[in-house]
Amino acid sequence: GQNIDQPTEMTATEGAIVQINCTYQTSGFNGLFWYQQHAGEAPTFLSYNVLDGLEEKGRFSSFLSRSKGYSYLLLKELQMKDSASYLCAVRGYNKLIFGAGTRLAVHP
Amino acid sequence: SQTIHQWPATLVQPVGSPLSLECTVEGTSNPNLYWYRQAAGRGLQLLFYSVGIGQISSEVPQNLSASRPQDRQFILSSKKLLLSDSGFYLCAWRTLGTAGTEAFFGQGTRLTVV
Repeated sequence: GQNIDQPTEMTATEGAIVQINCTYQTSGFNGLFWYQQHAGEAPTFLSYNVLDGLEEKGRFSSFLSRSKGYSYLLLKELQMKDSASYLCAVRGYNKLIFGAGTRLAVHP
Repeated sequence: SQTIHQWPATLVQPVGSPLSLECTVEGTSNPNLYWYRQAAGRGLQLLFYSVGIGQISSEVPQNLSASRPQDRQFILSSKKLLLSDSGFYLCAWRTLGTAGTEAFFGQGTRLTVV
């Protein structure tokens, strides 16, 4: 079976750092993706991990541990525009399965 | 460059009416294509995916169907809509055979069944 878990909601302060966790159980693994989705819009790609370790892209970093079935997205220097849902997705053989998403609210 | 077109952006349909949502991709060949549905405030539910013309895999039993009549065209259909079919429908594509590439999404169709 396939299961992807992430927290439903998180809040953080502008300028701070927030870590959004994702745990997964899937049949077949060909990479883990993080997407950002603003309300009413389509998801946009943030990061991709296929090997263990940390991938950094500007203010955003993503970490993967395949043995633990665990990933996190780290957002630094939070801005108000970072308020959105963050979706963890795992690719199996051909399917791309999404978690329910984490709604992040950034406060001044 | 590759682009994905999905239409219409919004749709209001009565219960029992048919549905046809179309998605086309430009600038790539033989993509993997996906249909997702997102209920209000929820995550993306994979409905169908396709790895080639005429090849459709269904993830969730329901009154929806999908077809891929051409390499870069993916259609989501229903003969009779239910109230529970309301949601945000998203088409996505990714390059077949490349391990790392992300999926790109269309703008989505917000369907309200009344």
